[in-house]
Amino acid sequence: SQQGEEDPQALSIQEGENATMNCSYKTSINNLQWYRQNSGRGLVHLILIRSNEREKHSGRLRVTLDTSKKSSSLLITASRAADTASYFCATSGNTGKLIFGQGTTLQVKP
Amino acid sequence: SAVISQKPSRDICQRGTSLTIQCQVDSQVTMMFWYRQQPGQSLTLIATANQGSEATYESGFVIDKFPISRPNLTFSTLTVSNMSPEDSSIYLCSVGGGRLDTQYFGPGTRLTVL
Repeated sequence: SQQGEEDPQALSIQEGENATMNCSYKTSINNLQWYRQNSGRGLVHLILIRSNEREKHSGRLRVTLDTSKKSSSLLITASRAADTASYFCATSGNTGKLIFGQGTTLQVKP
Repeated sequence: SAVISQKPSRDICQRGTSLTIQCQVDSQVTMMFWYRQQPGQSLTLIATANQGSEATYESGFVIDKFPISRPNLTFSTLTVSNMSPEDSSIYLCSVGGGRLDTQYFGPGTRLTVL
């Protein structure tokens, strides 16, 4: 069953703007990962944040994690047309299995 | 990170037939998983492929429909049996995971059942 909920489901912005996606989950986790998927192809791993971390950066990506609210956010700064894709959060517990959110479809207009 | 390949990349199959999907990793990995992504949907875990023993299936998935093999630490197969149009999906294998590990995905197999 799907644990995560993401919002918004769809987001359309202009190139250069920032994009923020949110993810909520229900059970306790060991880590939370964000993935990108272009046009139904394979998933590209973006960033992993552990349950004892609150914020992480990677290039133009910033991820936050609030375990008290069971939520995470992904911020993409200075967006580009190439960032157009679907973005998924996925949580992992002790078993290593990932439970995915429903995803956010991002469109960046040139 | 691990380099993961899947074969075939896509296929169109007739109802009632079976298709076996292969997943090859460039290094030995402990944990290997199979996921399904139905059209326009997110990913759902089918099973954990265990080396040397039977796969562990998630609720809603059974071995008769999705038999899995894992003969060694670098290779696994997923068979979609007695296919129907509802099986049309992208099937992805992944490796890694665990308490602290990143999980990496193969490029996926896009299956269309007519």
